[in-house]
Amino acid sequence: EIVLTQSPGTLSLSPGERATLSCRASQSVGSSYLAWYHQKPGQAPRLLIYGASSRATGIPDRFSGSGSGTDFTLTISRLEPEDFAVYYCQQYGSSPGTFGQGTKVEIK
Amino acid sequence: EMQLVQSGAEVKKPGESLKISCKGSGYSFTSYWIGWVRQMPGKGLEWMGIIYPGDSDTRYSPSFQGQVIISADKSISTAYLQWSSLKASDTAMYYCAVTHGAFDMWGQGTMVTVSS
Repeated sequence: EIVLTQSPGTLSLSPGERATLSCRASQSVGSSYLAWYHQKPGQAPRLLIYGASSRATGIPDRFSGSGSGTDFTLTISRLEPEDFAVYYCQQYGSSPGTFGQGTKVEIK
Repeated sequence: EMQLVQSGAEVKKPGESLKISCKGSGYSFTSYWIGWVRQMPGKGLEWMGIIYPGDSDTRYSPSFQGQVIISADKSISTAYLQWSSLKASDTAMYYCAVTHGAFDMWGQGTMVTVSS
């Protein structure tokens, strides 16, 4: 199965700053089938990005995804207070789908 | 409105059996895959398996194959996750979600606690 490694483990930033999160796969993710989610405490995860770069319904344009093959990036252009959460990448190009271990974006 | 509603929290003893549910509404239940995701306390997300309610085609992660059973009853738009003999290590939050590969829409989660 494909192993996803996210970095950094924790990102300490201030509101208004730019966040860049990385997700690296142990082998190529077919057809860029890579998704990003965030999860706030006590809530279910929410889909942000699918197909590596397509925003899910209702997701603001400050969230953008890029990458292909084995290297993917989620960028949040200007952090809003509600963006402080844990972020997960997931590949669904091969079965089983697998998740990264998560990056926590915390307030500095 | 498209939504998934999961059954309530469970507290069980080791060795007991359990079946939790996930009811879909507001969409064609038989036309979309549903997946199950485990989140152990303080940990990340784990892909357990998926089912297509239209024909009950089911795929499991090797990590969960033989440990759980995923099923669906399309007549009542409900998917299930079941255990025949729970272990303490099954203590976790379990989420169901509609999936086209990515998990588009999530249920609220069911907390399962296994303790003697």
